[in-house]
Amino acid sequence: GEDVEQSLFLSVREGDSSVINCTYTDSSSTYLYWYKQEPGAGLQLLTYIFSNMDMKQDQRLTVLLNKKDKHLSLRIADTQTGDSAIYFCAGRASGGYNKLIFGAGTRLAVHP
Amino acid sequence: EAGVAQSPRYKIIEKRQSVAFWCNPISGHATLYWYQQILGQGPKLLIQFQNNGVVDDSQLPKDRFSAERLKGVDSTLKIQPAKLEDSAVYLCASSLGGLEGDTQYFGPGTRLTVL
Repeated sequence: GEDVEQSLFLSVREGDSSVINCTYTDSSSTYLYWYKQEPGAGLQLLTYIFSNMDMKQDQRLTVLLNKKDKHLSLRIADTQTGDSAIYFCAGRASGGYNKLIFGAGTRLAVHP
Repeated sequence: EAGVAQSPRYKIIEKRQSVAFWCNPISGHATLYWYQQILGQGPKLLIQFQNNGVVDDSQLPKDRFSAERLKGVDSTLKIQPAKLEDSAVYLCASSLGGLEGDTQYFGPGTRLTVL
């Protein structure tokens, strides 16, 4: 089945770029997702990428997909304190009805 | 458009007690999901409904957990009896359909503490 792994913690200075990395095992995942979770809140979909794409840009967010290495990354340009949160990478489980498999999440801390 | 609603937001119980959580999905969404998120981990799917039928409950501990979605709208998730390891945030999500790529919208979750 699908397995998703992420680094657990990232600290950046305000204004710098943040890069959060994720690796996944199931190459049949057609969609790969990035969700954001702020303290005490549910998950908010940030962006997703279709497996036939290498890159997707959405304002300050850039998603890169390396299918050969099964590696996904999320780059946040000009990181702000409001970006401090936990970021989850998720892939679709093979054979599931839109069942998502989440990584453990990367906690992003933005300091002045 | 109103989001996914959940209640209660917090619940503290003792082990072996029972507890129930309620979820109201986004209007018109046919698919409803319950996830369990243990501290420090990503959400794990417990059960998925398509309208009022179950399409995936492979990771639901059926000896103690049950869920229903009457009339294909609201849903309740019950734990009976609760164990210490059930302490987690229970997230409800909904999507328009159950097809791959349908965006899942999450509620704020219910934080359960079992003492």
